[in-house]
Amino acid sequence: ETGVTQSPTHLIKTRGQQVTLRCSSQSGHNTVSWYQQALGQGPQFIFQYYREEENGRGNFPPRFSGLQFPNYSSELNVNALELDDSALYLCASSKQGAPNEKLFFGSGTQLSVL
Amino acid sequence: AQSVTQLGSHVSVSEGALVLLRCNYSSSVPPYLFWYVQYPNQGLQLLLKYTTGATLVKGINGFEAEFKKSETSFHLTKPSAHMSDAAEYFCAVSVGNQGGKLIFGQGTELSVKP
Repeated sequence: ETGVTQSPTHLIKTRGQQVTLRCSSQSGHNTVSWYQQALGQGPQFIFQYYREEENGRGNFPPRFSGLQFPNYSSELNVNALELDDSALYLCASSKQGAPNEKLFFGSGTQLSVL
Repeated sequence: AQSVTQLGSHVSVSEGALVLLRCNYSSSVPPYLFWYVQYPNQGLQLLLKYTTGATLVKGINGFEAEFKKSETSFHLTKPSAHMSDAAEYFCAVSVGNQGGKLIFGQGTELSVKP
């Protein structure tokens, strides 16, 4: 079990609403990456935060935004929710953001958009 | 651009039989390659990774994988399956020199029959 915790574990929203997901990274890690995992698919990279700055973004629209705080915890915000946003959202932390580093994943937040 | 293809969305083996999960990658630069495992209602856990050096990589729980550049493959094997190996397995490649950004395959669900 990793030290990465995500909240909430489950969430139900309606189309058009906004949602905030939270992630507490493993102690000593300064890099947080967010992934979206649709049912039956592999995780897709949303974006990464390194020392409170966005450090790379995948193919997701601007209504997906994030923050990283001084304690390296992070938030993922999604505005104007769409039905296709229903997925498991995974947060992963790592020590320095090096490409050969192991990622430590949380258990995820299951978001359902109705 | 990097990509990952996992051959077979479902693999079923008998307990004690060989496990072989196939992964092919595409990368314009020397790749960093990973295998992650996901148990139900949990995040992803690193099984093993290839960065540089020895092409046969040993991981946790008796799994190993061999990097074959000529075949652009990184297949995962285990000599003898155990019931506890039943899970979803993901092959991933790291994007360029940016840590934390992985491109995942679609996943292979491994079932183990008694």
